[in-house]
Amino acid sequence: GNSVTQMEGPVTLSEEAFLTINCTYTATGYPSLFWYVQYPGEGLQLLLKATKADDKGSNKGFEATYRKETTSFHLEKGSVQVSDSAVYFCALSDLGGSNYKLTFGKGTLLTVNP
Amino acid sequence: SQTIHQWPATLVQPVGSPLSLECTVEGTSNPNLYWYRQAAGRGLQLLFYSVGIGQISSEVPQNLSASRPQDRQFILSSKKLLLSDSGFYLCAWSAQRAYGYTFGSGTRLTVV
Repeated sequence: GNSVTQMEGPVTLSEEAFLTINCTYTATGYPSLFWYVQYPGEGLQLLLKATKADDKGSNKGFEATYRKETTSFHLEKGSVQVSDSAVYFCALSDLGGSNYKLTFGKGTLLTVNP
Repeated sequence: SQTIHQWPATLVQPVGSPLSLECTVEGTSNPNLYWYRQAAGRGLQLLFYSVGIGQISSEVPQNLSASRPQDRQFILSSKKLLLSDSGFYLCAWSAQRAYGYTFGSGTRLTVV
């Protein structure tokens, strides 16, 4: 079955530091890949996505590249801010037609200190 | 534009009481609908999903049930709550042939 493995947290960084959150996946075929962000007390928001190999998703300074050869979709940001403190989820979609579901990683808590 | 509404935002219920959480979607038709639970910690557990009115798939056996009485309405219910039902419940929708979910703002349920 499909699975997503992302780095265990928590991750604590100082403001303006470089961020990488690793995500690898196992899936049949060519799934779409996503990063979601959850701010404290809120639902999940789509941060970025990539639908095919070598695609780069980007939003709000965050980037992730769909690497088929390494089955990875690592999240990066060059300079984090305190407002980026949140839980980040990597996810993939299967291709089950109208019956599709997202498989989520366990989430990585990021804390950015001023 | 499409929006998803979920209520209530917070709920404190005694053990053994019933539960009804509602989720509605606006601005789209025939969406896929999902209920997730996020217990202590951060992991997301898919509870139910629905691809159409009256069509419910359950992912895990539990004390909860779901119903879809209308195309854009998804309800999570329980006849008798357990302490272990406490958590953060999230509703989500997706288009039939698109990718990714849009989540509601969640309901924080505390069973006491």
